[in-house]
Parts: sequence; structure tokens; C-alpha cells
Amino acid sequence: GAGVSQSPRYKVTKRGQDVALRCDPISGHVSLYWYRQALGQGPEFLTYFNYEAQQDKSGLPNDRFSAERPEGSISTLTIQRTEQRDSAMYRCASSPTVTDTQYFGPGTRLTVL
Amino acid sequence: AQTVTQSQPEMSVQEAETVTLSCTYDTSESDYYLFWYKQPPSRQMILVIRQEAYKQQNATENRFSVNFQKAAKSFSLKISDSQLGDAAMYFCAYRIGEYGNKLVFGAGTILRVKS
Repeated sequence: GAGVSQSPRYKVTKRGQDVALRCDPISGHVSLYWYRQALGQGPEFLTYFNYEAQQDKSGLPNDRFSAERPEGSISTLTIQRTEQRDSAMYRCASSPTVTDTQYFGPGTRLTVL
Repeated sequence: AQTVTQSQPEMSVQEAETVTLSCTYDTSESDYYLFWYKQPPSRQMILVIRQEAYKQQNATENRFSVNFQKAAKSFSLKISDSQLGDAAMYFCAYRIGEYGNKLVFGAGTILRVKS
């Protein structure tokens, strides 16, 4: 079946603008995760949902970052008042349950000018 | 806090040869999972292999196998009969067991395959 999809694949924005990144998980996957990956580094955890409930947001760097998954399927990661340091690849992953292997989407490359 | 260390920033291997990528981790947990993910130039993240800590037998997936040394907290990846398509960044990752959710990744090892 179809894998995890993310949109947009590339986003260029100006400092101070808000951005919304979308993740569409594999159908039927209960758990959804957001990670951020700087160039040349491994992904770092941001937040995690089980169904529509945000179970862990300990990795969100500050209150400009928020995420939702209102119907337990598609998720949106929103960054308000973007800053240049927010530039990175933002990855979404999903798994059938919390204990299963996570499958990653292609990522959204965000560039803040 | 859990940490994952990949001490080899870059490795090279001749096509058809065997290469081993190193990974160590630090945890006080007894129940956890370990993973190797591959990131080719396309920057996709592709699962290569998974190991449950409670299993003594090393996981194997075709040309990919692991050497899991629980006491030493070591989890190396062996790639046999290397192919040009194996060239990628490889990430080792750790996840706590039953109630774990997030993956903790190492910094990655770039693998170059020479023809």
C-alpha cells in the first residue's frame, strides 16, 4: 500500500512567517511521530500522537511549535514566526501501534530566509 | 538519558566486499529495540534491520546482519557482498520497549561503495 506522505516536499519562507507542514500516515496506523533532522545529523524527536491524542511533546523546542491530529489520521505541524534556525528537514513517521516499527515519510525541507 | 554513538563518520568498501558499521548505546533499560535505517541520496529513511533486546539471536535480512552484544551495549551492522546501491548514510537508532515511543538516533555513518 501507499507509504507515509508529506507535503509540501520543499518550503521556502521568510523569517517571521507561519508555516504548516502536513503528514498523511499509512492507512490504519495508530501512532504518528514528528522528527526534525539537521543536515548531517540524525533525526531528533519532536512529538508523538496515539490516535488523536498528543501523548508526548517533550521534543518541541519552544512554544512556536505545535502539532495536531484532530481525526486521528492526518497531522499538521505548525511553526509560528519562523526563524532561520528552524531551517531543517521535518520528518513524519507512522507505526501500526506504539510498539511497532516506525516508517518514515520523504520529509519536508524547510528553508527560512 | 539514552544516547546512541556512531564513532565512524565515514566508511568505504569495495564492491562485493564486506563492511561493518559500529554503534554503541547507553541505557539503563532492560527492554528495548535497536534499529538500523538507511538514508540514500534521495534522503528517504528506509528501515534496514531491527533487533529486540530480549532476543539473543542476531537479526539477519538478506545481506544485512547485526552483531548484538547486550552486555557491551554494542549493535554493529554487517553488510556482505556490498553493492553500489548500498551507498548511503546509515543511522543506528534505539527505542525503549513496551512504553517507548520516540526513536533516539546516532549521528550517522556515510558509507561509500567503490566499483
